[in-house]
Amino acid sequence: QSVLTQPPSASGTPGQRVTISCSGSSSNIGSNTVNWYQQVPGTAPKLLIYTNDQRPSEVPDRFSGSKSGTSASLAISGLQSEDEADYYCAGWDDSLNGAVFGGGTQLTVL
Amino acid sequence: QLQLQESGPGLVKPSETLSLTCTVSGGSISSSNYYWGWIRQPPGKGLEWIGSFYYRGNTYYSPSLKSRVTISVDTSKNQFSLKLSSVTAADTAVYYCARIMITFGVDGMDNWFDPWGPGTLVNVSS
Repeated sequence: QSVLTQPPSASGTPGQRVTISCSGSSSNIGSNTVNWYQQVPGTAPKLLIYTNDQRPSEVPDRFSGSKSGTSASLAISGLQSEDEADYYCAGWDDSLNGAVFGGGTQLTVL
Repeated sequence: QLQLQESGPGLVKPSETLSLTCTVSGGSISSSNYYWGWIRQPPGKGLEWIGSFYYRGNTYYSPSLKSRVTISVDTSKNQFSLKLSSVTAADTAVYYCARIMITFGVDGMDNWFDPWGPGTLVNVSS
């Protein structure tokens, strides 16, 4: 059971906009920042969003992150087939004094 | 360009100690800006943080693994290591090492992993 809660799956058609939610609590998302990772099956995770809404320079601006209260969201606009992957939210939990991950969301591009 | 590479046995017997090394190239473990750490992923499951450390000695461990985990560093070789004792089949996973940025700002603690090593699969089996 993951500390951060994500839907197990999401889907969309090419060109669509999809969002993936991440729910936490006052000790993690409510107190600290959220990061997002993309993992193509068989490969290592890749940093997609850091500090709630910042993108590394190599990440397309189709990807955006937001945070409100104890929840966060990842939005992908102009969905492409190459976006098919697993997406994980993550952060720090003050009560556990450690890093925590969501259970992951498998995104399918139909 | 910073790169990390995990290495170690792919098969460990139950009750024994899992030992892995992460070799860092293209940058120094002794960099003042970064932590370093380990994350694992059981087959078909999600990511689990194991622990993080700063080369001058500050270390964080997952509460669920703390009693069995030791992370150490060899700055002369630009490597850091993971030891997980008394392993069981539940410890079978792909183990990743990563560089970690930890900062404190107006929005609390910022803690992200980038880049990651390619990962190494460790099977716990007799």
